[in-house]
Amino acid sequence: NAGVTQTPKFQVLKTGQSMTLQCAQDMNHEYMSWYRQDPGMGLRLIHYSVGAGITDQGEVPNGYNVSRSTTEDFPLRLLSAAPSQTSVYFCATHRGLAGVGEQFFGPGTRLTVL
Amino acid sequence: DAKTTQPNSMESNEEEPVHLPCNHSTISGTDYIHWYRQLPSQGPEYVIHGLTSNVNNRMASLAIAEDRKSSTLILHRATLRDAAVYYCILRDSSSNAGNMLTFGGGTRLMVKP
Repeated sequence: NAGVTQTPKFQVLKTGQSMTLQCAQDMNHEYMSWYRQDPGMGLRLIHYSVGAGITDQGEVPNGYNVSRSTTEDFPLRLLSAAPSQTSVYFCATHRGLAGVGEQFFGPGTRLTVL
Repeated sequence: DAKTTQPNSMESNEEEPVHLPCNHSTISGTDYIHWYRQLPSQGPEYVIHGLTSNVNNRMASLAIAEDRKSSTLILHRATLRDAAVYYCILRDSSSNAGNMLTFGGGTRLMVKP
């Protein structure tokens, strides 16, 4: 099992460009989520999904879009990149047992916006 | 949401036990206490969780105070590989909000050879 995979590992964008960060999981988990981590900080939730076709906003959703057409994939779209979106992005999955249950994180995508 | 307070950093010697404290004085009865750690340049990984009783697994032990207002993550013999940021997180089991993790600043553990 690959677990949670994220592509690309690194990306440099210019201000105003758009791109999609990919996240895929092979654990058949219902819940998937995107976090960002700025230098020296903890992770902050951007968007999450409780199943295919269902998404919702987290703590810092502005500037990002998500969709969930399959259980396996949960892409994160940056509509018009800004330097404030320079960060490391982590995707996570879990079975959706509120309060309990291990969350599995991908290796992250390091994004720099110039 | 109930919050947690952790020291910014701690130091330990290799092969000695490490006790990482966490205060959560506003914890509710449905909050589980979770610990995750993040090794350098990696995503967070689950360590352990508990509700009221002390818990042990292959990675660590979790000691929970009787009033649940604090807890301690115990690494029995620190190795260099245990150098990481450790996050203490409360998760509410009574609502869907408990499916998401709210990260604070964590404790940066440094292990000296």
